[in-house]
Amino acid sequence: LAKTTQPISMDSYEGQEVNITCSHNNIATNDYITWYQQFPSQGPRFIIQGYKTKVTNEVASLFIPADRKSSTLSLPRVSLSDTAVYYCLVVGAAGNKLTFGGGTRVLVKP
Amino acid sequence: KAGVTQTPRYLIKTRGQQVTLSCSPISGHRSVSWYQQTPGQGLQFLFEYFSETQRNKGNFPGRFSGRQFSNSRSEMNVSTLELGDSALYLCASSREQGLNEKLFFGSGTQLSVL
Repeated sequence: LAKTTQPISMDSYEGQEVNITCSHNNIATNDYITWYQQFPSQGPRFIIQGYKTKVTNEVASLFIPADRKSSTLSLPRVSLSDTAVYYCLVVGAAGNKLTFGGGTRVLVKP
Repeated sequence: KAGVTQTPRYLIKTRGQQVTLSCSPISGHRSVSWYQQTPGQGLQFLFEYFSETQRNKGNFPGRFSGRQFSNSRSEMNVSTLELGDSALYLCASSREQGLNEKLFFGSGTQLSVL
């Protein structure tokens, strides 16, 4: 399964847009890209999942270029409560395997 | 609707002992998967159970095992504990089988091996 690489940390300010890019060079044709958010002392929480192009829900957008070797999670107008660790995952289409990235620690400042 | 419940929240064991962790999935969810989280290795997939059968397995030694009951509740067992087994163990549930499903995680069991 594809290995994922993401930045270790990012700082931002309230009201700004945060973009986190994940690299997955060896992604297979049918693999999905999924993002989770984790707060201290809690388990990860699903944010968004996509296969190609762009996916948007009420909390985030996921941009996946045509070659699918990377993906970008976009968090619009972040608040202090968005301070968390964000994980990029590649999941096999058959649902039988997944690989977590190392996580990106996002700090939102006032 | 209650979330995924993991018990106990904290556990301290000594090397060589065994431990059993419990996970109650969200009502109606039939799949339970387990994960190990450590500062060094990050999040790693252990195994997934669906309909009382292990469906998928990560790269962990046989000391790590699990089972699922008819009510979808799951237990994970680690035998002959090693210092390196100290970690946060997370379980997640989903409606159907498959790690590409939307996973709902519990808050985990923090295991310390002394």
